[in-house]
Amino acid sequence: GDSVTQMEGPVTLSEEAFLTINCTYTATGYPSLFWYVQYPGEGLQLLLKATKADDKGSNKGFEATYRKETTSFHLEKGSVQVSDSAVYFCALSYAGGTSYGKLTFGQGTILTVHP
Amino acid sequence: DVKVTQSSRYLVKRTGEKVFLECVQDMDHENMFWYRQDPGLGLRLIYFSYDVKMKEKGDIPEGYSVSREKKERFSLILESASTNQTSMYLCASTPVGTPYEQYFGPGTRLTVT
Repeated sequence: GDSVTQMEGPVTLSEEAFLTINCTYTATGYPSLFWYVQYPGEGLQLLLKATKADDKGSNKGFEATYRKETTSFHLEKGSVQVSDSAVYFCALSYAGGTSYGKLTFGQGTILTVHP
Repeated sequence: DVKVTQSSRYLVKRTGEKVFLECVQDMDHENMFWYRQDPGLGLRLIYFSYDVKMKEKGDIPEGYSVSREKKERFSLILESASTNQTSMYLCASTPVGTPYEQYFGPGTRLTVT
């Protein structure tokens, strides 16, 4: 079956540091890939997405590129802020078939940014 | 803005009790989902529904059931709560046109003692 694996956390950074959170996936088909973010006390919200190989998703200074050859979708940000402290989830989904709309999540990575 | 609300933020129940978790969305979305979130395990899909009266099992349906009598409401039922069902429960919805972006509620933290 499909699965998503994220780097072990928690990740602790100083403000303005460079962020990378690794995500790799195993898929039986050609999924779309997502990063969701969960701020303290809130539900998840979509951060960015990529629907096919070599697509780059970007939002709020975060970027991730869909790499089919390495089955990866690593999240990056050039300069993190304290307000980026949250839990980040990598996920995959399919547009059709019996898995339509269902998300498969990684285990989540806790990010803490200090001033 | 899309709004997904859940009936309680925190809930404490005793082992063996029947527990109802309610989820309501206000954007006329067809698809609704229930997940549980546990540290180190991410989110796992319990049940989902593509339409009123329709339900399908997710990856971990054991010990749970669901009800969808109206389009905007999707209920998760723990028939006889057990301590291993202590968790954060998250509801989500998505329209047919954009199945990828799921809109999440704030979650219900359930403790079973």
